[in-house]
Amino acid sequence: AAGVIQSPRHLIKEKRETATLKCYPIPRHDTVYWYQQGPGQDPQFLISFYEKMQSDKGSIPDRFSAQQFSDYHSELNMSSLELGDSALYFCASSLTTGENNSPLHFGNGTRLTVT
Amino acid sequence: AQKITQTQPGMFVQEKEAVTLDCTYDTSDQSYGLFWYKQPSSGEMIFLIYQGSYDEQNATEGRYSLNFQKARKSANLVISASQLGDSAMYFCAMRENSYGGATNKLIFGTGTLLAVQP
Repeated sequence: AAGVIQSPRHLIKEKRETATLKCYPIPRHDTVYWYQQGPGQDPQFLISFYEKMQSDKGSIPDRFSAQQFSDYHSELNMSSLELGDSALYFCASSLTTGENNSPLHFGNGTRLTVT
Repeated sequence: AQKITQTQPGMFVQEKEAVTLDCTYDTSDQSYGLFWYKQPSSGEMIFLIYQGSYDEQNATEGRYSLNFQKARKSANLVISASQLGDSAMYFCAMRENSYGGATNKLIFGTGTLLAVQP
């Protein structure tokens, strides 16, 4: 079965640089989520899109932005990178149902290291 | 606001034994969903099991079962017949009901690191 695809798997950037993370959700899933997981931390919700419209926003810095395109893939853009942005970034997708029983399916993540 | 609490930072279990990972939650909503995810050292997040707040029976998926006690607001994960490959971080997560699909994010607990010993 198709899974959520994230690229790149690893990314090394210097402070003040920019980074773009890409996510291809599972086909026919209508919601995409971005999470940030710092070392030894639980995943923290950043932002989500439902049918290509931003649906919820969490603790996402103003230096970050995201969007979902017409083909449903999503990109997380990160500017003015700081050392503290080093983390594992997950994209997840789900199919919205009237009940809340649809799990989020996660990609393998992008490990960002800022030096 | 909803909150997930996992009080066990780490657990040891002998191979082939059962282990229970604790999870308590707090929400003011009547309708919600509870999930468990496994994160091996390689980093991926793997969905294990789901329990709905209105489900009367405890969820089971193979060796995984969820001990759901609604009055106590607990949703403990039970892994039977532990295997070496079960060694991983385990996260409990919750989603509150959201009409119209506006907010379906999961909120995670801090996780429990399980080590299965031979």
